[in-house]
Amino acid sequence: DAKTTQPPSMDCAEGRAANLPCNHSTISGNEYVYWYRQIHSQGPQYIIHGLKNNETNEMASLIITEDRKSSTLILPHATLRDTAVYYCIVRVFGTRGATNKLIFGTGTLLAVQP
Amino acid sequence: NAGVTQTPKFQVLKTGQSMTLQCAQDMNHEYMSWYRQDPGMGLRLIHYSVGAGITDQGEVPNGYNVSRSTTEDFPLRLLSAAPSQTSVYFCASSPDRVSYEQYFGPGTRLTVT
Repeated sequence: DAKTTQPPSMDCAEGRAANLPCNHSTISGNEYVYWYRQIHSQGPQYIIHGLKNNETNEMASLIITEDRKSSTLILPHATLRDTAVYYCIVRVFGTRGATNKLIFGTGTLLAVQP
Repeated sequence: NAGVTQTPKFQVLKTGQSMTLQCAQDMNHEYMSWYRQDPGMGLRLIHYSVGAGITDQGEVPNGYNVSRSTTEDFPLRLLSAAPSQTSVYFCASSPDRVSYEQYFGPGTRLTVT
């Protein structure tokens, strides 16, 4: 699985959009980009995933660049409850022999300020 | 559904003691796994199972045993606890080995003195 690089921390004002970047310059064609978050002392929570098209769900949007070497997770209206560590993970999905192993880096600590 | 449950929430062991961390899910998920998280680090995979009777090693399996006799349960056994195993342990499950979403339990905080 390709390696990812994220800033260690970011701040965001409550009510504003939070844009969390992730670099995955060695991503290969069959690797998906996943985002999970971990609120303090809790288990990680799945947010969203994508291959090459932009994706949106009730929690967030995922923007993947055309060359797929980087992506941005967008929380459109951040609240205090969005304060968490956000993990960007790249892995192969759905191929023969694949397993559901997730390789977590150290992520980005997003602090939403009142 | 209760989702993924873990017991105990907290545990203190002395070096050399053994114990079992329990993990159960009521979603009929085939895939289950165990991760550990050390301070300031991401999660690291210990062992995983793609179905009852099938287990395999992850990144950091040494010192841990697992078995999967039922779909619902996936216990993690520490054979002889060491201070290096002080960590927070998370269990996760997903419908199968290729599902995009994994569901994590609340964690067990283990201290080995």
